[in-house]
Amino acid sequence: GAVVSQHPSRVICKSGTSVKIECRSLDFQATTMFWYRQFPKQSLMLMATSNEGSKATYEQGVEKDKFLINHASLTLSTLTVTSAHPEDSSFYICSARDPRPGIRGYTFGSGTRLTVV
Amino acid sequence: GQQLNQSPQSMFIQEGEDVSMNCTSSSIFNTWLWYKQDPGEGPVLLIALYKAGELTSNGRLTAQFGITRKDSFLNISASIPSDVGIYFCAGRFGSGGSNYKLTFGKGTLLTVNP
Repeated sequence: GAVVSQHPSRVICKSGTSVKIECRSLDFQATTMFWYRQFPKQSLMLMATSNEGSKATYEQGVEKDKFLINHASLTLSTLTVTSAHPEDSSFYICSARDPRPGIRGYTFGSGTRLTVV
Repeated sequence: GQQLNQSPQSMFIQEGEDVSMNCTSSSIFNTWLWYKQDPGEGPVLLIALYKAGELTSNGRLTAQFGITRKDSFLNISASIPSDVGIYFCAGRFGSGGSNYKLTFGKGTLLTVNP
């Protein structure tokens, strides 16, 4: 089945620094990956759609200069939170669609808990 | 934009009881997905539905894609303590490009008392 690996699982950073989160599809090629943000006791909010070899598509209200997305290969997408501030503290989750026949649904990574102090 | 209404928000049940939750949409979806999320983890796919009227089971879980394409339900039979978690419905409207993106319901928090 489809496996998505997300790293790191937890990160604590100082305000003003940047943090990079990696999302890898381990056993399939993902032309499209998705980045979500989830606050405590809330649902997943889509931040952007990451497209291999092209620019990401950001949802309304998401600052593309603050949340940099790079999808340089068919198995890796990265999300960089630039100049992080405490309000950026959240749970970030990536997902990918496995295009192989017979694979249903979308697979999610295990998430990254970001704490900005 | 598309909106998903998921209910109930939370449920407290006794072990062995059956559970039902549902999602309704303001517009038509062509895919319905049900996920379970444990604390500090990413969502895990339970059931995927691709056709209106489709009824699919996965062990003690059963889900259906409503014939109007605007709703779906998930049933859990004979609940056990490990069923505890947050259950999300998710829908997809189209296909190709950005239409691959999902819209999520707000989740149903399930608590099972042993």
